[in-house]
Amino acid sequence: GAVVSQHPSWVICKSGTSVKIECRSLDFQATTMFWYRQFPKQSLMLMATSNEGSKATYEQGVEKDKFLINHASLTLSTLTVTSAHPEDSSFYICSARDAGGLETQYFGPGTRLLVL
Amino acid sequence: TQLLEQSPQFLSIQEGENLTVYCNSSSVFSSLQWYRQEPGEGPVLLVTVVTGGEVKKLKRLTFQFGDARKDSSLHITAAQPGDTGLYLCADTSGTYKYIFGTGTRLKVLA
Repeated sequence: GAVVSQHPSWVICKSGTSVKIECRSLDFQATTMFWYRQFPKQSLMLMATSNEGSKATYEQGVEKDKFLINHASLTLSTLTVTSAHPEDSSFYICSARDAGGLETQYFGPGTRLLVL
Repeated sequence: TQLLEQSPQFLSIQEGENLTVYCNSSSVFSSLQWYRQEPGEGPVLLVTVVTGGEVKKLKRLTFQFGDARKDSSLHITAAQPGDTGLYLCADTSGTYKYIFGTGTRLKVLA
């Protein structure tokens, strides 16, 4: 089946620093990728839709200057958490939609971010 | 905005018992998926249902989709510790943006 990877799998950083998370589709092309955030013991909340070659679309309440998204190729999207603070600590999950036209999204394994 | 409510929120049962998890939507589903997520991992797709009244079986898991396509249930027979995880229902909402339910956290004790 289709595989989506995320890097790093976990990261610890100091408050005020920026952290970049990569999401890659390994065996298919993804014109659209999605970024989710999941707090402990809660469900997934969509943050933004990442479109290859164009600006990302952010959900209501998500600061686009805080969470920078770049989708420079059909297999890579990056999420940068700028000036991270402890409240940004969370589990970040990406998913990728196969450009072949199917509606199925394939989820990455997630990245756990801890901001001290 | 569509809301997906799952019940129960938490469930702790003994190995071998049966259980049912429910997912109710505030509006008609476009396409309903059920996922299982283990701690520290991404969600894994279990099943997709599209047609009202549809029933699908996956080994010990039985998925039912309501006739009106606004509710669904997941029944697990003879639960095993390996079934432990967070169960999530989701709707594509017709725009490729998935909306996830509130989740049911299941723990199966050996």
